[in-house]
Amino acid sequence: AQTVTQSQPEMSVQEAETVTLSCTYDTSESDYYLFWYKQPPSRQMILVIRQEAYKQQNATENRFSVNFQKAAKSFSLKISDSQLGDAAMYFCAYPLMNRDDKIIFGKGTRLHILP
Amino acid sequence: DGGITQSPKYLFRKEGQNVTLSCEQNLNHDAMYWYRQDPGQGLRLIYYSQIVNDFQKGDIAEGYSVSREKKESFPLTVTSAQKNPTAFYLCASSRQGGDSAAFFGQGTRLTVV
Repeated sequence: AQTVTQSQPEMSVQEAETVTLSCTYDTSESDYYLFWYKQPPSRQMILVIRQEAYKQQNATENRFSVNFQKAAKSFSLKISDSQLGDAAMYFCAYPLMNRDDKIIFGKGTRLHILP
Repeated sequence: DGGITQSPKYLFRKEGQNVTLSCEQNLNHDAMYWYRQDPGQGLRLIYYSQIVNDFQKGDIAEGYSVSREKKESFPLTVTSAQKNPTAFYLCASSRQGGDSAAFFGQGTRLTVV
């Protein structure tokens, strides 16, 4: 069964420092996509970054980047120069590209930014 | 502007009553989803639909029903059979195919009183 696991329920980082959130997944597919979503206190889900599995290069969006290791089925999110506005729940997600065509989410990591 | 709209933002229901949560999108997306979010549980899939007049049960469909009569709309009914309906409900839509990110509504907070 396809699963997404986020092993860190909560993390804290000092403002301006770098933090890495972990995500592992299980799939038998060879081509797929992975996503990180942010849910701030407003509870609006916001897409942070996405990675295409067939691309070797790790995706980057400003201060957000991923460390994608396909063989290890690992998809971690690195936030550089952490800001107070980065405080949120972060969800790793994996859409199934088969007849089910549904999106599976991890349980989330709550990130605290310490001033 | 294109987007996905959920209404209402807050909803109160008496025990034993059915209640319907609205979800409308103008993104021309084929797929739509309903998720339930409880503290510490992440997002759990209730129902999803890939095309008009067709939908599938997710992981926690018991006590819920949906319809997909129009591409733009995917309302969720929380029935009296749902024993613990107090939660935050999120609707999402996406293009078909796993390369498309999901876009989310603002959510509806349902409270049983």
